[in-house]
Amino acid sequence: GAGVSQSPSNKVTEKGKDVELRCDPISGHTALYWYRQRLGQGLEFLIYFQGNSAPDKSGLPSDRFSAERTGESVSTLTIQRTQQEDSAVYLCASSLGLVWGQETQYFGPGTRLLVL
Amino acid sequence: SQQGEEDPQALSIQEGENATMNCSYKTSINNLQWYRQNSGRGLVHLILIRSNEREKHSGRLRVTLDTSKKSSSLLITASRAADTASYFCATDPFYQGGSEKLVFGKGTKLTVNP
Repeated sequence: GAGVSQSPSNKVTEKGKDVELRCDPISGHTALYWYRQRLGQGLEFLIYFQGNSAPDKSGLPSDRFSAERTGESVSTLTIQRTQQEDSAVYLCASSLGLVWGQETQYFGPGTRLLVL
Repeated sequence: SQQGEEDPQALSIQEGENATMNCSYKTSINNLQWYRQNSGRGLVHLILIRSNEREKHSGRLRVTLDTSKKSSSLLITASRAADTASYFCATDPFYQGGSEKLVFGKGTKLTVNP
C-alpha cells in the first residue's frame, strides 16, 4: 500500500512569508508526528497527533508554528512569518497508535524548506 | 535536548567489513529503535528492541541493549555499498506517560567503500 506522502517536496520562500506543509499518513494510522531536521543534525520532535487531537505540542519552537489534523488523516504544519532559521527538512511520520511504547513510525520523504 | 548520542559521528569502511555504531541515552526507556536515512530524506525503521531485551537480530543487523549502561549498539555484518547512509537511534523515554514521541540522536554517517 501507499506510504506516508508529503508535499511539497521542496519549498523556497522569502523571509516573512507563511508556508503550509502537508502530510498524508498511511491509511488507518491514528498517530501522526512532525519532526524537523536541520542540516547534518538529528530529528527534533515538533508535535504528535492521536486522532485529531494533539496531546503533545511540546516541541513546537515558537507560536509561529502550528499544526492541525482533520478526519484522522491529513495534517498541515503551518509556519507563519518564516525566518531563515526555519530552513530545514520537515519530516512527517505515522504509526498505528495502538500499542503504546512499541510502535514503529513510518516516515515520509520530507519537505525541504529554504527561507531566503 | 537530544536523548540519544551516537558514536562515532562518521565511519568509513570497506565493503565486506563489519560496522559497529553505538548509542548512549540518559533516562529510562520503554524501547530503543534504530533507523536509517538515505540522502537526508525519509527515515526507514530497522529494528526495535524493548527495555527487557538484551539482543535482537534482523538479517545482517544485530542490536544489543545494556540498560545498566544506558547504551545500545548496532552491528551491520558483511557491509555493502548500499548500506551507506546515516543511522539514528531513537528512544521512547519512560517518563513520557503516554506520548509516542521518539527522541533521536544526531546519527552516525556510515560510508561503505566498494
